[in-house]
Amino acid sequence: QQQVKQSPQSLIVQKGGIPIINCAYENTAFDYFPWYQQFPGKGPALLIAIRPDVSEKKEGRFTISFNKSAKQFSLHIMDSQPGDSATYFCAARGLTGGGNKLTFGTGTQLKVEL
Amino acid sequence: DAGVIQSPRHEVTEMGQEVTLRCKPISGHNSLFWYRQTMMRGLELLIYFNNNVPIDDSGMPEDRFSAKMPNASFSTLKIQPSEPRDSAVYFCASSLFTGGNQPQHFGDGTRLSIL
Repeated sequence: QQQVKQSPQSLIVQKGGIPIINCAYENTAFDYFPWYQQFPGKGPALLIAIRPDVSEKKEGRFTISFNKSAKQFSLHIMDSQPGDSATYFCAARGLTGGGNKLTFGTGTQLKVEL
Repeated sequence: DAGVIQSPRHEVTEMGQEVTLRCKPISGHNSLFWYRQTMMRGLELLIYFNNNVPIDDSGMPEDRFSAKMPNASFSTLKIQPSEPRDSAVYFCASSLFTGGNQPQHFGDGTRLSIL
């Protein structure tokens, strides 16, 4: 119930392509869905996030699409660049005990080639 | 502004030794999280604190692991005795919990190797 399933595990696209990373969840109590970007040797950093009452959110070249009925959400990266090569994690928050606990997906290693 | 500060960045030690990882959260943040990252298990939440009080430690793998937060600006994660399977990158994160959508800010991690 607390799992967030993420796919694919790895992804290679050409510069300018649109990589899409998918996540699915079971727990309908999740109320906030962030995506984190992680570069080698660094901690994850918040990229973009969405609430379940919104179907799409854009920030620059990054877009989250959210399908509440299917309990799925995805990250699209428009006009991908080599600098976008990183590991991407989806996550979901369940408010428990007054905390701000995130459950993370298993990550997607993205490589953008020239 | 200073981010989450973790020390040491790298730790190599012999099996059986005590290991202490340290974290300084962002000033003003009232939630603190300890995560472990491995290739096999991904990013796992070990424990988190709200206002210095442990809220959920269900992710702590064994009694060998313990975490403390004596004040709002410092936390430790201790492993005693350490084992080779504890080798991983350990992250600390902090956030401002207001009931809203405040992000977690991660440090750059401690890479721990147990020989």
